[in-house]
Amino acid sequence: RKEVEQDPGPFNVPEGATVAFNCTYSNSASQSFFWYRQDCRKEPKLLMSVYSSGNEDGRFTAQLNRASQYISLLIRDSKLSDSATYLCVVRRGSTLGRLYFGRGTQLTVWP
Amino acid sequence: GAGVSQSPSNKVTEKGKDVELRCDPISGHTALYWYRQSLGQGLEFLIYFQGNSAPDKSGLPSDRFSAERTGGSVSTLTIQRTQQEDSAVYLCASSGADGQPQHFGDGTRLSIL
Repeated sequence: RKEVEQDPGPFNVPEGATVAFNCTYSNSASQSFFWYRQDCRKEPKLLMSVYSSGNEDGRFTAQLNRASQYISLLIRDSKLSDSATYLCVVRRGSTLGRLYFGRGTQLTVWP
Repeated sequence: GAGVSQSPSNKVTEKGKDVELRCDPISGHTALYWYRQSLGQGLEFLIYFQGNSAPDKSGLPSDRFSAERTGGSVSTLTIQRTQQEDSAVYLCASSGADGQPQHFGDGTRLSIL
């Protein structure tokens, strides 16, 4: 079983739509959680960290359910510029150590 | 610059040749990571350096792959006797000791003919 599992999509939504991505992780020792965004042929870039209480950054909301080992990302009022692949990422340690990446969920926002 | 710098950006070489990929981490970052991403695949961990500790080499796919980090800064990933399945984008990342997430370089796109 992979360390991090994501629905690969693709998700195709119109501008202004709300879209949600889900992710599960297999190792209960995981302590740090992130969403990265990767544009086509570009490097991954941190979108946001995910905290136990859930957190919001503008149109983006991340949730963590440790009991179910489940992470989610909600994008409200989708923009064309949100089109990208969204990577669910976990780290076993709280500070350093390798990252475990999901294969990513592809999002296309159309006009 | 302020970010992670990798060179070369692109490398095309013949099967069987050796290649060296370079990574300059963000200044002051103690941790350095190498990953690779094959076409349509997720990121695959290769190796991790942290300060003066022994590196975590658990992700290296074969003994043709090696990496070093000199002076706690620049790192070189070497692939010997390259094979076509080594074709991928090789990504380097660094992070500080404060628990901040990893920041990635632009990657080296390696193509083995």
